[in-house]
Amino acid sequence: AQKVTQAQTEISVVEKEDVTLDCVYETRDTTYYLFWYKQPPSGELVFLIRRNSFDEQNEISGRYSWNFQKSTSSFNFTITASQVVDSAVYFCALRGTGANNLFFGTGTRLTVIP
Amino acid sequence: DTGVSQNPRHKITKRGQNVTFRCDPISEHNRLYWYRQTLGQGPEFLTYFQNEAQLEKSRLLSDRFSAERPKGSFSTLEIQRTEQGDSAMYLCASGTPRDQYFGPGTRLLVL
Repeated sequence: AQKVTQAQTEISVVEKEDVTLDCVYETRDTTYYLFWYKQPPSGELVFLIRRNSFDEQNEISGRYSWNFQKSTSSFNFTITASQVVDSAVYFCALRGTGANNLFFGTGTRLTVIP
Repeated sequence: DTGVSQNPRHKITKRGQNVTFRCDPISEHNRLYWYRQTLGQGPEFLTYFQNEAQLEKSRLLSDRFSAERPKGSFSTLEIQRTEQGDSAMYLCASGTPRDQYFGPGTRLLVL
């Protein structure tokens, strides 16, 4: 069975603060993919990153960084120097071996206050 | 190509009516997915096509729901005899074996 837990329902930060969004997953597959998507108020899910289970290297893209730790089954997402435009709901998702669909967490609503 | 498009963006209907949504995927993608998202939840998988073949259906896809992709390009999702519990955002995605790219969704409200 696949499961994704995003324990933080809502987070508010002041602009320019750093913020980390947590994601914990469960799977019996040895090979799997992890994703983060951003959903702004417009509703469209925007793809941010894909990580496969064999690649535990942390990744940085501009102000975004991701920390993948298999030992704790976590794939956390950090936004550095947050901006108002980062306000959105962020979803973590998992796809197992041979699966076609994504399993999503319940999302974390981030509000960046100017 | 500007991405996945969905029409209509919003639909209000009365209980018992039929509704149909359309999804136009990114042209080079042969995989197409439908998801449903209710308020405060993440998207839940409904069904998946590879080209024109519907290869997987979730148990969420009751017999009132039907999806087609007749020519392997655009897809339609029809809900017959709508119920208030069908109110949700219906999201379409297209992709490769690795990645899925989502459209803006169709928000359905059943009165």
